[in-house]
Amino acid sequence: GQQVMQIPQYQHVQEGEDFTTYCNSSTTLSNIQWYKQRPGGHPVFLIQLVKSGEVKKQKRLTFQFGEAKKNSSLHITATQTTDVGTYFCAGRYGGSQGNLIFGKGTKLSVKP
Amino acid sequence: ETGVTQSPTHLIKTRGQQVTLRCSSQSGHNTVSWYQQALGQGPQFIFQYYREEENGRGNFPPRFSGLQFPNYSSELNVNALELDDSALYLCASSLNPARETQYFGPGTRLLVL
Repeated sequence: GQQVMQIPQYQHVQEGEDFTTYCNSSTTLSNIQWYKQRPGGHPVFLIQLVKSGEVKKQKRLTFQFGEAKKNSSLHITATQTTDVGTYFCAGRYGGSQGNLIFGKGTKLSVKP
Repeated sequence: ETGVTQSPTHLIKTRGQQVTLRCSSQSGHNTVSWYQQALGQGPQFIFQYYREEENGRGNFPPRFSGLQFPNYSSELNVNALELDDSALYLCASSLNPARETQYFGPGTRLLVL
């Protein structure tokens, strides 16, 4: 079945270090979304990528969508303690109204 | 705050019972999706309602059912509860079924004993 693999499962960094999480699908995605979930909270939408090779930036966050639309990454430059949480990718198959398939998430902890 | 509310916040049920969870969508949003999030996992899509009709369903058995009302609020009903149904249940509202931007509610944490 359709599945989105996300790695790593956990990442511990020192404040100021960079962080990257990766998502991979065995089949082509229509688009991919990224969410952040703080401990005890709910997922918060960050961004959607649609085009092959698309790169979008939000301050210290850089999102990429692979050329084949099968993989994506989220990179955070110079992490801060406020970046703590779990980052999920969610891939959509079968067009703009297809179901979203979430990865298992990468839990980021930042040591001050 | 997203403007999406869910009730109750927490619930404890026993195996075999039935439960109804409620969601009020953000103003102007006609689409509500429901997700199940087990501990340490990503949300899993249960189903979506658009203008009071089911508009997509994930891999969940028929004992998971839903409703959407004319004001676009929604209910998730689960019959014959099983221990594995223990999870955080999230609803998310969006302007339309394409769901480019979904706004999640705080969730209902269900424990089945």
